[in-house]
Order: sequence, then C-alpha cells, then structure tokens
Amino acid sequence: QSALTQPPSASGSPGQSVTFSCTGTSSDVGAYNYVSWYQQHPGKAPKLIIYEVSKRPSGVPDRFSGSKSGNTASLTVSGLQTEDEADYYCSSYAGYNNFVFFGGGTKLTV
Amino acid sequence: EVQVVESGGGLIQSGGSLRLSCVASGFTVRFNYMSWVRQAPGKGLELVSITYSGGSSYYADSVRGRFTISRDNSQNTLYLQMNSLRPEDAAVYYCARIPLRNYYPFWYFDLWGRGTLVAVSS
Repeated sequence: QSALTQPPSASGSPGQSVTFSCTGTSSDVGAYNYVSWYQQHPGKAPKLIIYEVSKRPSGVPDRFSGSKSGNTASLTVSGLQTEDEADYYCSSYAGYNNFVFFGGGTKLTV
Repeated sequence: EVQVVESGGGLIQSGGSLRLSCVASGFTVRFNYMSWVRQAPGKGLELVSITYSGGSSYYADSVRGRFTISRDNSQNTLYLQMNSLRPEDAAVYYCARIPLRNYYPFWYFDLWGRGTLVAVSS
C-alpha cells in the first residue's frame, strides 16, 4: 500500500496564494475523481475542505479550490489568512483492493 | 447534531487488546460506510479499516488478522477490536464516515470524531 506524495511544507504571507500538490499514480489519483483534501489544526480532527477533486462542502470558503491533472491533484488557498495555518492532507480512492490512500501531509505556515 | 464520539483508548502493553467504540448521533451507522483512520504521533493519516454494505469489511495490511471492525446497529455504534497490539499501533484513532448517495459510496470522509489515543508500551 502506497501513500500519495505531498511536499512536507509550504508557506505564504497573508493575502497571498499557495498551491499544494498531491502526486499519485494511474491507479488512484489518475483513475478516479475521488480526490479529497483535509485541513487539520494541531490537536484537532481533520476537516473535509474539498471532495471529488474540486467540490467544497457547505461552509468552506471559496478561497479553497481543488483541481487535478493526470496523476497529480492540487489544492490552492487564495487570500491566505493566519487561520489557514494547518496541516493539509490529500486522499484518493484507489480501487477495491486498497480503497483509500492518504498523502503524508503538507504543513502550511502563514 | 450529527456527530461521532470515540472512546476506549488508553495505555496497553505490547501484545494486549483494546476495543474502541464510536457512538454516532444524528445519522444511522447501518446506512453508511464507516471507517477507522489512525494518526501516529507527528505522522500522517492512515486508513485502518472500513465496514460497508452487507457487513463486508476492509483492513489495511498492517492490521489484517489482528483488528476486527464491527457495528452494533441497535446502539448505533461502531467498534474496533484490536488484538496483539504492537508499539507501531500507537496513534490517535479517528472514527470517520464515508457518505453514500443512492447506496453508492463517495470516497471521502465527511464526518470525523475527535479521536481516541492508543498508547502501546513495549
């Protein structure tokens, strides 16, 4: 079982934009539109912020957007705010044998 | 309020057993795919197990044969029986829901509990 690949860290200043990548394979990210992203603040549970590549749950600001190209998914946070400082994890469906893989997470510093 | 609340974690010796519980409210466990996801200290998320339609279940290779996921529909509760615990099983264990639409799973986790901490001493 393989995790998806995410850069360990990213940073930006308030008001700027930052984009995280999430690289998988043709058996997971590249095969299905079931990429999701989770935000996790220290000591808290993960929170769903993007599902099905680019959809936002109710209540998630439109500053968060997702996309996918081939085997790589991306999360963009626009208009950075200090409260966006958190860990971000991607996830993808990987078929019946493996179900779901997570990435190792990217720590965003604002 | 729609929520899940985990309990049952604690400090256990290597080789021991624990049973985690996840009580759901505001929705019916029986009509959803339910999962356990764990996070070792300072590490990322790892899918441990899923229970889905017809009582079927999935386990990560790292826990297969040692952990058992189950549901008590009358109590609207999800369980994870963990046997032969190893130091590498130490983590916060989250209960998470995978939503269904028209009985088809949409492979993301839309509801998470606060987690329960499992510590394993060697």
